[in-house]
Amino acid sequence: KQEVTQIPAALSVPEGENLVLNCSFTDSAIYNLQWFRQDPGKGLTSLLLIQSSQREQTSGRLNASLDKSSGRSTLYIAASQPGDSATYLCAVKGNYGQNFVFGPGTRLSVLP
Amino acid sequence: GAGVSQSPRYKVAKRGQDVALRCDPISGHVSLFWYQQALGQGPEFLTYFQNEAQLDKSGLPSDRFFAERPEGSVSTLKIQRTQQEDSAVYLCASSPTGLAGVITGELFFGEGSRLTVL
Repeated sequence: KQEVTQIPAALSVPEGENLVLNCSFTDSAIYNLQWFRQDPGKGLTSLLLIQSSQREQTSGRLNASLDKSSGRSTLYIAASQPGDSATYLCAVKGNYGQNFVFGPGTRLSVLP
Repeated sequence: GAGVSQSPRYKVAKRGQDVALRCDPISGHVSLFWYQQALGQGPEFLTYFQNEAQLDKSGLPSDRFFAERPEGSVSTLKIQRTQQEDSAVYLCASSPTGLAGVITGELFFGEGSRLTVL
């Protein structure tokens, strides 16, 4: 059974810092991995989707990498801003079935 | 519609009541998922539809939970005889489906229905 963990559980940084969020999964037979952002009381917004054949994806100040063999993905946020404050979740889809398995999330606070 | 729409956004139920939560997916999205999210946790899978077919209901926690998508568009998640442990946010997501029914694209989520059982 796929298990997804995220470290750290919470992170507080001053504005302008570059930061890295980590996602680990136990079963490397994944189809794709997706990073989401969730604001309090809201649904999830997709940030980046990495297919299993890809090593990284970039969107603006965000860069996500995938190392399938080691069961890890990182989300890199450059030049953080207070508006980046949210919970960031990763989710993996296995090669079998359609279900996405989510991690518990990292709660990010960017202080002005 | 432009995005996934869920209603009601908030529902308070007395223990033992039945509730129904509605999800309107993005037009044309074949795949639809229901997730349950407890406070401070990631979403947990409940069930998955491809068009009107419920292909996976392995995440439904008990037989009090029932989901349907009769015409392959709108879906309803019904919880019978609600219990306090059912209190959570119920999230609906839809996704376009590629050839051969394999999901290649993103998941698009609604804002969720927050259920509180007293």
